[in-house]
Amino acid sequence: DGGITQSPKYLFRKEGQNVTLSCEQNLNHDAMYWYRQDPGQGLRLIYYSQIVNDFQKGDIAEGYSVSREKKESFPLTVTSAQKNPTAFYLCASSWGGRRTYEQYFGPGTRLTVT
Amino acid sequence: AQTVTQSQPEMSVQEAETVTLSCTYDTSESDYYLFWYKQPPSRQMILVIRQEAYKQQNATENRFSVNFQKAAKSFSLKISDSQLGDAAMYFCAYRSWNTDKLIFGTGTRLQVFP
Repeated sequence: DGGITQSPKYLFRKEGQNVTLSCEQNLNHDAMYWYRQDPGQGLRLIYYSQIVNDFQKGDIAEGYSVSREKKESFPLTVTSAQKNPTAFYLCASSWGGRRTYEQYFGPGTRLTVT
Repeated sequence: AQTVTQSQPEMSVQEAETVTLSCTYDTSESDYYLFWYKQPPSRQMILVIRQEAYKQQNATENRFSVNFQKAAKSFSLKISDSQLGDAAMYFCAYRSWNTDKLIFGTGTRLQVFP
């Protein structure tokens, strides 16, 4: 089955620790995205990548880092510099390009930092 | 910068009835795309319907249809014959013609009563 997988579904970390969220897709999509979702707010874009070995900051990139070494994978690291990391994180992918239509989303990871 | 506004934090509808969710957006562009996404309790984001701004005809997908008013910058979603499975958060989203980035509204929580 083609799709996007995110692991784990729930993640708990202590404050001050870096944590990496996994996102893998087998849809052969060129573009991948990371969003953050907080209660009462819509999704906000953290980082996106339109091609391997290239990525751009979104609206709330501070305290996060990404890599895109393979087309299928786009891991997100939440660093200790992120002041309020507890949130729901969604990964998405799309074909990319001007006539791209929708983004396809993974099931998400709920990160709790205490 | 583009913005998307959903002014109804919560809506409710009786099963088999019709409900309309509102969305307005602000942009100076003439070519763009609009989307409605559904997020059920599982939190998986699912595309409901999309509309290309250059198309005058309103998009329809089974029980879901939109009322796209380009001049008014309005993009409402109508759900006909509501079902219990329609209960979810609904997000309106905007994408410019020359970028892959989605801009989301804050969402409307739809409750469906039997």
